[in-house]
Amino acid sequence: AQKITQTQPGMFVQEKEAVTLDCTYDTSDQSYGLFWYKQPSSGEMIFLIYQGSYDEQNATEGRYSLNFQKARKSANLVISASQLGDSAMYFCAMRVTTGRRALTFGSGTRLQVQP
Amino acid sequence: EPEVTQTPSHQVTQMGQEVILRCVPISNHLYFYWYRQILGQKVEFLVSFYNNEISEKSEIFDDQFSVERPDGSNFTLKIRSTKLEDSAMYFCASSGDMGQGYTFGSGTRLTVV
Repeated sequence: AQKITQTQPGMFVQEKEAVTLDCTYDTSDQSYGLFWYKQPSSGEMIFLIYQGSYDEQNATEGRYSLNFQKARKSANLVISASQLGDSAMYFCAMRVTTGRRALTFGSGTRLQVQP
Repeated sequence: EPEVTQTPSHQVTQMGQEVILRCVPISNHLYFYWYRQILGQKVEFLVSFYNNEISEKSEIFDDQFSVERPDGSNFTLKIRSTKLEDSAMYFCASSGDMGQGYTFGSGTRLTVV
């Protein structure tokens, strides 16, 4: 079974600063994918970034980067130059690439960006 | 950009009534999913659907739930006899053959009173 742990229920960051949201995962599978989603107050789930377990480089998408440390089973999301619109819930999720296709989500981190 | 469409965005129903939540997945996607999120909690997997049948379901997806792809474009979740604890946001998602491309709909907020 897969498990995702997000230990930060809430985070504050100043506008224009960088912030790291923590995510650790547990799986016995060797092949898996890690995802981050943003959920604003309106409720929709917005895909941010993906990292495959065999990807040698950390994934980046604009201001988002994923700090993937396979040996530590961590997949932290780094948001650079925070903006007020980044205030939202952030969920880390995982799926294994063989067999089960469903995503397993963490409990989320609420990020608040302060002016 | 292709999107997953869910209707209605909000539904209020009496306890014991049947509800049908509707979704139009991305047209060339092969896998369809329902997830739910009770207010303030994490997103939980309910069921996945592939090749016109359920491929996987969680322990939450009991006999009161069913899914259907009635016409090749819509993907529905039916809750037969709603309970207060079914109140949640229900998300439909779809993905292609490769694992990366999950797209979520904007959700249906179900309120059971």
